[in-house]
Amino acid sequence: QSALTQPASVSGSPGQSIAISCTGTSSDIGDYNYVSWYQQPPGKAPKLLIYDIYKRPSWVSTRFSGSKSGATASLTISGLQPEDEADYYCSSYSSINTLIFGGGTKVTVL
Amino acid sequence: ELQLLQSGGGLVQPGGSLRLSCAASGFTVSNNYMCWVRQAPGKGLEWVSVIYSGGDTSYADSVKGRFTISRDNSKNTLYLQMNSLRTEDTALYYCAREGSFLDWGYDYWGQGALVTVSS
Repeated sequence: QSALTQPASVSGSPGQSIAISCTGTSSDIGDYNYVSWYQQPPGKAPKLLIYDIYKRPSWVSTRFSGSKSGATASLTISGLQPEDEADYYCSSYSSINTLIFGGGTKVTVL
Repeated sequence: ELQLLQSGGGLVQPGGSLRLSCAASGFTVSNNYMCWVRQAPGKGLEWVSVIYSGGDTSYADSVKGRFTISRDNSKNTLYLQMNSLRTEDTALYYCAREGSFLDWGYDYWGQGALVTVSS
């Protein structure tokens, strides 16, 4: 199984909105709504931001939102802040009871 | 407070074995889906394995037949037995919990255990 495709890097200025794409296939994102997003600051464990495409756990800021169209999911960060600098990963359930992650996107706040 | 405390990482030669542990507190391991995720140095996340609350398991193709996920309900602990280790298994290994109704979303993670496979 190949990793989901994410851009290597995305950048934005404080206060701007950015979007990170995550492209899969008809065997994962295209066929299931079990898409999650994680934030991983340097040297730390991942933190769940989004599950089921767009749902937010209670501890996650409303500045983070998720969506999906076909086999591509997206994470949008609104009102970008310096503390949003981190690596971001998408994941999707795949057929035959496995999970696949994206390659990761480094977000830089200019 | 919910917590996952990992132990068992280290240096091992190719072909060797190692067992990782992940002790849970604040919740019951056997009532949740639990998984292992690894991250090679400077690389992205890779899902390794899951054990369902009913005891069924699933593995990534890259570790199938070499790794075994299990749990000890009396110790509330998750394990990953790794055999026939290869240099490409070198990574930071995380255990994680799939939260109730989170559908393959992992809400609590261990601190990670470094496994280095080298001669």
